Amino acid sequence: QSALTQPASVSGSPGQSITISCTGTSSDVGGYNYVSWYQQHPGKAPKLMIYDVSKRPSGVSNRFSGSKSGNTASLTISGLQAEDEADYYCCSYAGSSTLVFGGGTKLTVL
Amino acid sequence: QLQLQESGPGLVKPSETLSLTCTVSGGSISSSSYYWGWIRQPPGKGLEWIGSIYYSGSTYYNPSLKSRVTISVDTSKNQFSLKLSSVTAADTAVYYCARHVYPKPGFDPWGQGTLVTVSS
Repeated sequence: QSALTQPASVSGSPGQSITISCTGTSSDVGGYNYVSWYQQHPGKAPKLMIYDVSKRPSGVSNRFSGSKSGNTASLTISGLQAEDEADYYCCSYAGSSTLVFGGGTKLTVL
Repeated sequence: QLQLQESGPGLVKPSETLSLTCTVSGGSISSSSYYWGWIRQPPGKGLEWIGSIYYSGSTYYNPSLKSRVTISVDTSKNQFSLKLSSVTAADTAVYYCARHVYPKPGFDPWGQGTLVTVSS
């Protein structure tokens, strides 16, 4: 069971849109519609932003959206704001009752 | 509002067993459909799922940690616990507890996390 692959860092200017990818295999991301995304600010616990690939929990801004194509899931943040600067993690069901996280992506708002 | 709170020693000696408890408040740990999980994060590194448990006691673990991990539940106290044996410095991390719906990885809410350092 290997960690899902995410870019180490992405950046964007306020108002722009950015996309963070999360690449796995047909045994995890590609095999199930069970991908979630988390936002983590320094020193804080992660916060669920997207679940089941594209569903948003109550209270999460609609600027956050999720999608999946093949073995790659994506998190898109539109209308980038300063408070979006954080680390982002994806997580997928990996079969056989196991879960796997991505390595994390640091988002910098320029 | 459901809240989770981790508790336990912040310092554990190498080769000993790390023990943490997560107390659930504002709801019942015996709620159907929900699993209760442990996730850890070494300093400056990413998240790692450790394992999860259902109120009935059904468990599933990360294969890479399975030989050293035991997760248990105490419904009378609305708590679930983590034991990690034979710890090394590599087990130093912030340990979080969180709720999710099996088998989905939608962890929500999370506890605030507790730092456990493995050192002599």
